[in-house]
Amino acid sequence: EVQLVESGGGLVQPGGSLRLSCAASGFTFSSYEMNWVRQAPGKGLEWVSYISSSGSTIYYADSVKGRFTISRDNAKNSLYLQMNSLRAEDTAVYYCALGYMDVWGKGTTVTVSS
Amino acid sequence: DIVMTQTPLSLSVTPGQPASISCKSSQSLLHSDGKTYLYWYLQKPGQSPQLLIYEVSSRFSGVPDRFSGSGSGTDFTLKISRVEAEDVGVYYCMQGIHLPWGFTFGPGTKVDIK
Repeated sequence: EVQLVESGGGLVQPGGSLRLSCAASGFTFSSYEMNWVRQAPGKGLEWVSYISSSGSTIYYADSVKGRFTISRDNAKNSLYLQMNSLRAEDTAVYYCALGYMDVWGKGTTVTVSS
Repeated sequence: DIVMTQTPLSLSVTPGQPASISCKSSQSLLHSDGKTYLYWYLQKPGQSPQLLIYEVSSRFSGVPDRFSGSGSGTDFTLKISRVEAEDVGVYYCMQGIHLPWGFTFGPGTKVDIK
C-alpha cells in the first residue's frame, strides 16, 4: 500500500525556520516526482513546490521562492521541505503528494505566530 | 499564470440524484504531447484530498464509476451520476500543464446532501 507520512510541523515564531519530512513507503520512491501542497485554515489548496524523481529539477510557487527549499533522499525514501523566514501567511496544513498529486499524506500542521 | 474557476461554488444534492461541477481554465490545458492535464480531487471532511479523475476523464484506481470527467481545451466537467452520502466534501479541479509555473487548483466546490 502506498503511504506518505509527514512530520516536522509545529508552532514557530515569525522569521523562524522548520524542516518538514515526508516518509514514503509502498512504492519505488526514486522513480517518482513529488510535491508539497498546503492548505491554510478554512481555505483551498495551494501548490508549494515540485521535485523530479532524481532531484535535478525543482520548482517553487512565487509565494515561497527564496525562502523554502525542497529536497529528497532516495536512499531513505524521504522528501523534505526546509522553510525559512516563516510568515503568518505560511500557517497551513502541509501535504506531501506523489506524482501529479495521485496520493496524499495526512499532512502536518505549521503555525506561524508570536 | 493559469487561473482555474469552478461553478457552482456550493451544491446541495438529493441522494440518488445527479450532480455536475464545471471547471474552466484561462488557458488551454492541451499539451503538445497530446495529453490534457486536468485533474479532479475530492476532500472529504477532515481528510486529505484524494484523486478522482486524471487527464480529464480517466478514473483513478478504486474510484466508483458513478464519477466521470469530460471536456477539452479550457472547459471541463465532473459528473456524479447518482450522489451518495459518502460523496460530500469539497471538489477541486487542478491544472498540471504549466509545471515550471506550478500547479493551480480551482477554488473548490462544496457538495452536501439535502
